Amino acid sequence: AQSVTQLGSHVSVSEGALVLLRCNYSSSVPPYLFWYVQYPNQGLQLLLKYTSAATLVKGINGFEAEFKKSETSFHLTKPSAHMSDAAEYLCAVSERGSNYKLTFGKGTLLTVNP
Amino acid sequence: EPEVTQTPSHQVTQMGQEVILRCVPISNHLYFYWYRQILGQKVEFLVSFYNNEISEKSEIFDDQFSVERPDGSNFTLKIRSTKLEDSAMYFCASILESGTPDTQYFGPGTRLTVL
Repeated sequence: AQSVTQLGSHVSVSEGALVLLRCNYSSSVPPYLFWYVQYPNQGLQLLLKYTSAATLVKGINGFEAEFKKSETSFHLTKPSAHMSDAAEYLCAVSERGSNYKLTFGKGTLLTVNP
Repeated sequence: EPEVTQTPSHQVTQMGQEVILRCVPISNHLYFYWYRQILGQKVEFLVSFYNNEISEKSEIFDDQFSVERPDGSNFTLKIRSTKLEDSAMYFCASILESGTPDTQYFGPGTRLTVL
């Protein structure tokens, strides 16, 4: 069975600082990994996804994530936070043969301070 | 850009009542999903739907739940007799095809409040 753990339910950074949101996964087969962002009263928007190609994945809004099999991690980073990055970030995993249903972590709320 | 839409945005109902949550997936998408998120908890998979039938469902999706694609555009989730614990945000999602890790496009959600 697949699962996702997001360390830190709330991360606070200053504008311009590095953003690091942690995600660890468990999967019995090679996983597909996703980061979604959720703004208040809106749906989930895909930031980026790992699908067994390059281990360093670049997404929208300057975010990127690196798949590390040995650490079962898929941490999300952004070199310089912007006020507009404040949102809930959800890491998710899916597996072949599972109808590609997504299993989500609990999410990390990112706050950006001026 | 095409998007998934959901109606209503907020539904308030009395315990024991039936509710129908509606979704309009992206027009050429073939696979459809419902997820829910109870306040403060994870987004959880409920059901996937393809070719007019359920392809997978979770333990949460018991006999009180049903899904339907009545007219080729709408995709509905029905809860026959709502319970207090059904209060949650319900998200619809769709993808063009499975067999690949395609991007699931999510709607904005329906907030269901059961009193």
